[in-house]
Amino acid sequence: GESVGLHLPTLSVQEGDNSIINCAYSNSASDYFIWYKQESGKGPQFIIDIRSNMDKRQGQRVTVLLNKTVKHLSLQIAATQPGDSAVYFCADLRKNSGGYQKVTFGTGTKLQVIP
Amino acid sequence: DGGITQSPKYLFRKEGQNVTLSCEQNLNHDAMYWYRQDPGQGLRLIYYSQIVNDFQKGDIAEGYSVSREKKESFPLTVTSAQKNPTAFYLCASSRLAGGRYNEQFFGPGTRLTVL
Repeated sequence: GESVGLHLPTLSVQEGDNSIINCAYSNSASDYFIWYKQESGKGPQFIIDIRSNMDKRQGQRVTVLLNKTVKHLSLQIAATQPGDSAVYFCADLRKNSGGYQKVTFGTGTKLQVIP
Repeated sequence: DGGITQSPKYLFRKEGQNVTLSCEQNLNHDAMYWYRQDPGQGLRLIYYSQIVNDFQKGDIAEGYSVSREKKESFPLTVTSAQKNPTAFYLCASSRLAGGRYNEQFFGPGTRLTVL
């Protein structure tokens, strides 16, 4: 079936190191892929998105890579900081004919930054 | 400040009671969404609305109802028919149309516990 999932439930990273969070998807018809960050007890916050016809996009300290051949998505965080500790969700987006955005979320990876 | 508010943050109800969760946005967004999040899982779509007085079922609409009488407001009622209502409920909004992904802005969430 259609799914967006993550390889690892928990990732521990030393402060200052780079973090890589991975995600696998199954639906080839997705228009966009999105990464969200959710801190404990809060709603998710948008980090970065990438259109399906791209393979790399960079933001501030974050880079998203898309490999459509193996249906794999990753989020790279440079120089990880304690404030990066959160659960990270990948999601994919498909639009229907009415313009509605159908967003499907993965189960999330918890990033723990070790001071 | 522009944003989405949800109230209350924590809600306790007895089994068999209906309960309504509030969601208000002042972002002038057309689309609004309700998601449910269970521990260690991603978000699942309950209902969405693209325009006032119109809404559509998401993936897990059974036991829930919504209304969209005003653009700014999208309350969710958890009815007694919902078999497992204890969860974290998240409301989101976004613009519509356009060719790119329209970022969904999330509220802080309401944690509902049914006793």
